[in-house]
Amino acid sequence: EVQLVESGGGLVQPGGSLRLSCAASGFTFSSYSMNWVRQAPGKGLEWVSYISSSSSTIYYADSVKGRFTISRDNAKNSLYLQMNSLRDEDTAVYYCAANSGSYYGGWFDPWGQGTLVTVSS
Amino acid sequence: DIQMTQSPSSLSASVGDRVTITCRASQSISSYLNWYQQKPGKAPKLLIYAASSLQSGVPSRFSGSGSGTDFTLTISSLQPGDFATYYCQQTYSTPRTFGQGTKVEVK
Repeated sequence: EVQLVESGGGLVQPGGSLRLSCAASGFTFSSYSMNWVRQAPGKGLEWVSYISSSSSTIYYADSVKGRFTISRDNAKNSLYLQMNSLRDEDTAVYYCAANSGSYYGGWFDPWGQGTLVTVSS
Repeated sequence: DIQMTQSPSSLSASVGDRVTITCRASQSISSYLNWYQQKPGKAPKLLIYAASSLQSGVPSRFSGSGSGTDFTLTISSLQPGDFATYYCQQTYSTPRTFGQGTKVEVK
């Protein structure tokens, strides 16, 4: 079964740090680019970051650039998001999603179940 | 950044209704457009990719059309499990922006 499972979310104070993980199974993780997408409570979807299959290409949303770092370990079938200098507005459910398809920019499938990050004092 | 605008933001419909959701891009994105369905407390699910291709396992009552700046998601006959929020997404450029969502509610 194709599966992505996020972990590492929790409550953190403003200015703090957190590291999210996404464990992949059921597909050849090393062949897929990956993304992090977040959703603030009651709000829509916001793309956060992208990493290519070999880690050679990385992109960030302006809202997290300089504070978040995406990485992956293909030997461990795992994706990571290191989040530093967290702000109240980073409170959200964070999803990892595989970038599938080789044309028209691809599409996000599958998605993990999400992990909740709450930034509050 | 490319802005994606969906309309309406919400709609009320009954089982069996034909439902149409529109997504407009702030610039031409060819067919670099995907549609997702999200139910409360769940992850988004891919419905349509490349504007009009139906994802495997998705019922044929869902269809997508359009190219350039204007796109449409149509549900030909709304079923009980289709009450959800729908998002469009462009993959023409980074950041991969989403529309604000369209919530389909029970009338």
